[in-house]
Amino acid sequence: SQKIEQNSEALNIQEGKTATLTCNYTNYSPAYLQWYRQDPGRGPVFLLLIRENEKEKRKERLKVTFDTTLKQSLFHITASQPADSATYLCALDSRNTPLVFGKGTRLSVIA
Amino acid sequence: DGGITQSPKYLFRKEGQNVTLSCEQNLNHDAMYWYRQDPGQGLRLIYYSQIVNDFQKGDIAEGYSVSREKKESFPLTVTSAQKNPTAFYLCASSIRHGGDTQYFGPGTRLTVL
Repeated sequence: SQKIEQNSEALNIQEGKTATLTCNYTNYSPAYLQWYRQDPGRGPVFLLLIRENEKEKRKERLKVTFDTTLKQSLFHITASQPADSATYLCALDSRNTPLVFGKGTRLSVIA
Repeated sequence: DGGITQSPKYLFRKEGQNVTLSCEQNLNHDAMYWYRQDPGQGLRLIYYSQIVNDFQKGDIAEGYSVSREKKESFPLTVTSAQKNPTAFYLCASSIRHGGDTQYFGPGTRLTVL
């Protein structure tokens, strides 16, 4: 069966360091992979989308990689700040099927 | 000011009562979605609609019903048949179904007493 795993439920890092979150999947062939940020009690907010034929995508301090051979995406936040503390969700998209979300990783950036 | 709205933010109901959650968007999006989120869980798809007057069941549709009579509106009814309805409900929309980012509403937290 299809499975999406985000590396850990919670990740604590020190302010200024690079946070790296992992999204692994099995039995799935996504055309796109998306990352969202969710703050407590609020709806997720879209951050980045990467296509199957793209290796890397950047937006300001964010970087996403997508390795379809390893079936893995890495999400990096450089120079992390306490305001980056949130839950980050990855979602797989196979074009005509609904998005499938991982359970998320709760990131805490400690000042 | 474009966006997607859900009301109310908090909702309390007695066990055995049906309740309808509102979702409205003015983004002119074709596709709309309902998700359920439980503590420590990801988003689970309840129903989705690719176009007006059409909708499909998601992974956990039992005990829920929807309608899509207008492009802007996609209400969700939680029926008494839903065994464990207390949860955080999120509505989302996208330009079209598949390959597009989703825009989420603020959510409705439903508590059944």
